[in-house]
Amino acid sequence: RKEVEQDPGPFNVPEGATVAFNCTYSNSASQSFFWYRQDCRKEPKLLMSVYSSGNEDGRFTAQLNRASQYISLLIRDSKLSDSATYLCVVLSASKIIFGSGTRLSIRP
Amino acid sequence: EAGVAQSPRYKIIEKRQSVAFWCNPISGHATLYWYQQILGQGPKLLIQFQNNGVVDDSQLPKDRFSAERLKGVDSTLKIQPAKLEDSAVYLCASSSGLPTMNEQFFGPGTRLTVL
Repeated sequence: RKEVEQDPGPFNVPEGATVAFNCTYSNSASQSFFWYRQDCRKEPKLLMSVYSSGNEDGRFTAQLNRASQYISLLIRDSKLSDSATYLCVVLSASKIIFGSGTRLSIRP
Repeated sequence: EAGVAQSPRYKIIEKRQSVAFWCNPISGHATLYWYQQILGQGPKLLIQFQNNGVVDDSQLPKDRFSAERLKGVDSTLKIQPAKLEDSAVYLCASSSGLPTMNEQFFGPGTRLTVL
């Protein structure tokens, strides 16, 4: 089993839709969690950290489920500009592990 | 604020040749990372420096890859000799401290093609 797993997608949704994806991790002692966004042929950029109580930043909501060992990202009212690959990042035993990413494509 | 600088942006070499990449992190950032990103995959951490000391190099193929950060500022990553499977984008990132809750800022990457 991979240490961090993501559904590769692609998720193809219409503008204005709500879309969610999960990221599972294998080490129950993992400490910190993040979502990064990577546009095609660009470098990753931090989208948001994931806090234990869940957190929201505008149209984006991140949640952590320690019991089931996954984090989630919800995007509401999706925009064309949300089209990108979303990478989850898990800090586990001081190791930084990126998922393979979920590709999201928003259509007009 | 200037971002993370990397050079070259692109490099094409033949297998068994050597190659070196350079990274200059954001000023004042103590932590520097080198990642390898193969097409269709997420970045894989190769090595992490805290100032000029190595924090984690467990995934660095030490028989052919080496990295240094002599003065705790810029860093070089070398591959010698290169293999076909080393074709990837090499990303450098920096952060102001240990990664527990600190954002990593990435450079534009060096795209390596090994023929």
